[in-house]
Amino acid sequence: GEDVEQSLFLSVREGDSSVINCTYTDSSSTYLYWYKQEPGAGLQLLTYIFSNMDMKQDQRLTVLLNKKDKHLSLRIADTQTGDSAIYFCAEGDAGGTSYGKLTFGQGTILTVHP
Amino acid sequence: GAGVSQTPSNKVTEKGKYVELRCDPISGHTALYWYRQSLGQGPEFLIYFQGTGAADDSGLPNDRFFAVRPEGSVSTLKIQRTERGDSAVYLCASSRTANTGELFFGEGSRLTVL
Repeated sequence: GEDVEQSLFLSVREGDSSVINCTYTDSSSTYLYWYKQEPGAGLQLLTYIFSNMDMKQDQRLTVLLNKKDKHLSLRIADTQTGDSAIYFCAEGDAGGTSYGKLTFGQGTILTVHP
Repeated sequence: GAGVSQTPSNKVTEKGKYVELRCDPISGHTALYWYRQSLGQGPEFLIYFQGTGAADDSGLPNDRFFAVRPEGSVSTLKIQRTERGDSAVYLCASSRTANTGELFFGEGSRLTVL
């Protein structure tokens, strides 16, 4: 079955760039997603990338996809204290009944220090 | 409301009891998902509804778990004979259609089984 792995913790200084990494196993995944979870709030979709793309940029966010190595990363430029949260990588079940049936990684806790 | 609403936000019950968790999705969203998130883990898929029907219930752990969506809007997740291992945050999400992984999550219902 699908498996998604992430590093558990990342600590950066305010203003620096953050890079969160993820590996996945299902080579047939059509879309890969990054969700953010803040305390007391529901998961929020940050960005996604289609599997035939190598890179996607959205304001401070850059997603890189290495399909050969099944490696996905999320770079946050100029990280702010408000970016402190848990970040989840997820892959869609391309062969299944719905693109919303996602397999999530265990999440990376990002801590931003002033 | 504007977002996905889940009730109760917290539920404490005793082993062996019956529990119902309710989800009110975003108006007009046809797809509805239930996920379960254990401490320190990412969400795990339980079941997905397209309209009134359960299109994929492959994530339900056993037959003590059941979910309905009788009118294609509000959904209820039902857990019979609760066990301590059922303790987790149960997340509901909705999306406009099933052809997207852009899910809108509620804040979750935290279930504690004593």
